Amino acid sequence: GAGVSQSPRYKVAKRGQDVALRCDPISGHVSLFWYQQALGQGPEFLTYFQNEAQLDKSGLPSDRFFAERPEGSVSTLKIQRTQQEDSAVYLCASSLGTGETQYFGPGTRLLVL
Amino acid sequence: GNSVTQMEGPVTLSEEAFLTINCTYTATGYPSLFWYVQYPGEGLQLLLKATKADDKGSNKGFEATYRKETTSFHLEKGSVQVSDSAVYFCALSDRYSNYQLIWGAGTKLIIKP
Repeated sequence: GAGVSQSPRYKVAKRGQDVALRCDPISGHVSLFWYQQALGQGPEFLTYFQNEAQLDKSGLPSDRFFAERPEGSVSTLKIQRTQQEDSAVYLCASSLGTGETQYFGPGTRLLVL
Repeated sequence: GNSVTQMEGPVTLSEEAFLTINCTYTATGYPSLFWYVQYPGEGLQLLLKATKADDKGSNKGFEATYRKETTSFHLEKGSVQVSDSAVYFCALSDRYSNYQLIWGAGTKLIIKP
């Protein structure tokens, strides 16, 4: 079966633009995570969904960041009014259930100019 | 809070050398421990994991043992190959933080022929 997919793979945005990043998890996976990975660093947690419910958004760095998963499958991470410090790779991971192994997508590399 | 510390890179070895990448953790509970690998141009892949003390995870010739007494999960391989060149991340998760992965900064491994 297909793995986790993310689109776009690369995104260049001008400062102040809004962007939307998409994640298609593995079919049937209940849990979905978003992480942010700055260059040369380990990923950092942003938010977590169980089905359509956003159970933890404690890692979102500001109210410019918003995530949704309305039907419990595809998820979108939206960043409003992008800033240069938002430049990073955004990773999506899904798992079959709570506490199960997380499988990662290839990431979306965002560059804000 | 929970944290992971791993040795800084890059680590440069000759082919067939013995590899150790150190990883230590701080956690309030009893976390699961993971090693993920990121090959050049690819996404994060789970390499191995251990879910309780004294468990040994192994895959592709790599091993790591969950040591509660030293709060460590060091990655080892007896004979590395050029194809092992990648960035290796140590991570933990537990139920108290919704199983989000807490990551080390990553260790870049370079194997020379």
